Amino acid sequence: GNSVTQMEGPVTLSEEAFLTINCTYTATGYPSLFWYVQYPGEGLQLLLKATKADDKGSNKGFEATYRKETTSFHLEKGSVQVSDSAVYFCALKVSGDNDMRFGAGTRLTVKP
Amino acid sequence: GAVVSQHPSRVICKSGTSVKIECRSLDFQATTMFWYRQFPKKSLMLMATSNEGSKATYEQGVEKDKFLINHASLTLSTLTVTSAHPEDSSFYICSATPTGSSTDTQYFGPGTRLTVL
Repeated sequence: GNSVTQMEGPVTLSEEAFLTINCTYTATGYPSLFWYVQYPGEGLQLLLKATKADDKGSNKGFEATYRKETTSFHLEKGSVQVSDSAVYFCALKVSGDNDMRFGAGTRLTVKP
Repeated sequence: GAVVSQHPSRVICKSGTSVKIECRSLDFQATTMFWYRQFPKKSLMLMATSNEGSKATYEQGVEKDKFLINHASLTLSTLTVTSAHPEDSSFYICSATPTGSSTDTQYFGPGTRLTVL
């Protein structure tokens, strides 16, 4: 079946540190891959996505590359800020299927 | 734009009672809405797909008679947890896909925390 495994948190970093949150997937067919972010008290917001192998999604300094050979979609940011503190969810969706499959979420805390 | 609201944000009820949760798309129409459930430190699990004007499609293992879904307008879907029990305590999240868009595009509500005593 389709599933997503992401790095367990919580992750605590100092401001300007490099961030990596690992995400791997298992899917039948060719999924689209997503990273969502949830700030405190708010709903999930789409951060970035990639729809095919080798695509790189990027937004707000975050980026992730769709790696079919390693079935991965790791989230990276070169220099995190306090305002990046949130919960990050990796997700996949196979075309034609309504089911968006989410990872368990990784809580990131960035300290000044 | 593309805001989805949920009401209430938190609800506490007694075992055996029913609770209704509303999901509204505030600035767009949504033919399709989704209901998810999230357990602590777990991922979101899709419960059902709600289509305006038709019956909801439930995922395997979700009791349709327990979790009643009504999508009576293009901006509102409701989830009613009937005869709630403590094991129904959870975080319920809805999302909405703008009419005409692929279901790859989902805007999420902030969630409703249900506690059943």
